[in-house]
Amino acid sequence: DAGVTQSPTHLIKTRGQHVTLRCSPISGHKSVSWYQQVLGQGPQFIFQYYEKEERGRGNFPDRFSARQFPNYSSELNVNALLLGDSALYLCASSLGVRTDTQYFGPGTRLTVL
Amino acid sequence: GQQLNQSPQSMFIQEGEDVSMNCTSSSIFNTWLWYKQDPGEGPVLLIALYKAGELTSNGRLTAQFGITRKDSFLNISASIPSDVGIYFCAGPNTGNQFYFGTGTSLTVIP
Repeated sequence: DAGVTQSPTHLIKTRGQHVTLRCSPISGHKSVSWYQQVLGQGPQFIFQYYEKEERGRGNFPDRFSARQFPNYSSELNVNALLLGDSALYLCASSLGVRTDTQYFGPGTRLTVL
Repeated sequence: GQQLNQSPQSMFIQEGEDVSMNCTSSSIFNTWLWYKQDPGEGPVLLIALYKAGELTSNGRLTAQFGITRKDSFLNISASIPSDVGIYFCAGPNTGNQFYFGTGTSLTVIP
């Protein structure tokens, strides 16, 4: 079975632009969480969605938004990109709302110039 | 927000040696998780701990949930080259936010 998949793998944007990152969870998983990992640091929690509803939100500005679709895939949107948004964006999926058994995708590497 | 501090920040050890690392929190966690992350990949769950004082093993890895519920420890016995990577502690808080530690980078010298 396929694991968590994310697209694109790499992305280069310029300041002020908008970006959309995509995540497909493991088949049967209904929860998707998003994390930002800046180089040299641990992942920082951004959002969790379960059954298309937001169930958790980290300390990120309103420029960050997400949604979950009926097939449980998810998009993370970031508006008005800043240089500091350059990071690896990780998606994780889990069966239910609990995140203690979540599985991570390989991430999308975003570079903002 | 929550701060999970890991020590040491990095380790350089000889193949075959045992490794110990720990994680401390400013507040109580009810679940402690340990992940390993290889370059260019997402974290992979190694061990999950659910009860204060719990000691759990997964092959050469052993982790403990501290009695105070503010710390956890990970030990790796008889290290091998494929143990190289970054190890993170992590856990969810009661507000359904998920926190990762600062990471311990492990280098195993053959």
